[in-house]
Amino acid sequence: EAGVTQFPSHSVIEKGQTVTLRCDPISGHDNLYWYRRVMGKEIKFLLHFVKESKQDESGMPNNRFLAERTGGTYSTLKVQPAELEDSGVYFCASSQVPGLSTDTQYFGPGTRLTVL
Amino acid sequence: EDKVVQSPLSLVVHEGDTVTLNCSYEVTNFRSLLWYKQEKKAPTFLFMLTSSGIEKKSGRLSSILDKKELFSILNITATQTGDSAVYLCAVVLAPSGGSNYKLTFGKGTLLTVNP
Repeated sequence: EAGVTQFPSHSVIEKGQTVTLRCDPISGHDNLYWYRRVMGKEIKFLLHFVKESKQDESGMPNNRFLAERTGGTYSTLKVQPAELEDSGVYFCASSQVPGLSTDTQYFGPGTRLTVL
Repeated sequence: EDKVVQSPLSLVVHEGDTVTLNCSYEVTNFRSLLWYKQEKKAPTFLFMLTSSGIEKKSGRLSSILDKKELFSILNITATQTGDSAVYLCAVVLAPSGGSNYKLTFGKGTLLTVNP
């Protein structure tokens, strides 16, 4: 079974440019999460999709970040315009329908974003 | 604010040593606690703990949860160089309405096992 995949692995852009990150969850997983790790800090929640609907986007830093999951399969996270403080590793995770035995979220390898 | 604290932040040991990694938490609506191992890329799942006092075991790794004292430990016996990684502890919070089971992470413990 293929795991969670993310593209690209690493992106280097200049301040003010736009970047779009992509996440493909494990097939059949309705829940898709985005997290971010800024250097020196812990991994922090950004938002959660259930199928194509945003369940919780309370962790999104500001309106320069836009996440979509059209069709309820893959998701994109766009940062426009990017700022220096957006640098970090962006992780995507997916899980099955929540239940006590399925709290486990499976993570992708992350996209390292560097804003110069 | 929900908080997960891991200690130590970093640990260097020799092959064959036994290590104990700590994770304490102060959260509302605790549901479960997860341990992950992160080598170069994706955090990979190790254990999910929901009940106090029940040890989960996988090979040389084991973990236990204490819901009264609000902590968990991850033990690794007879460490090997391949155990070198960042070990992440995350707490799943029960959603208040809705179904968002987001994870709240600690900063991780960087374990280095030298030959």
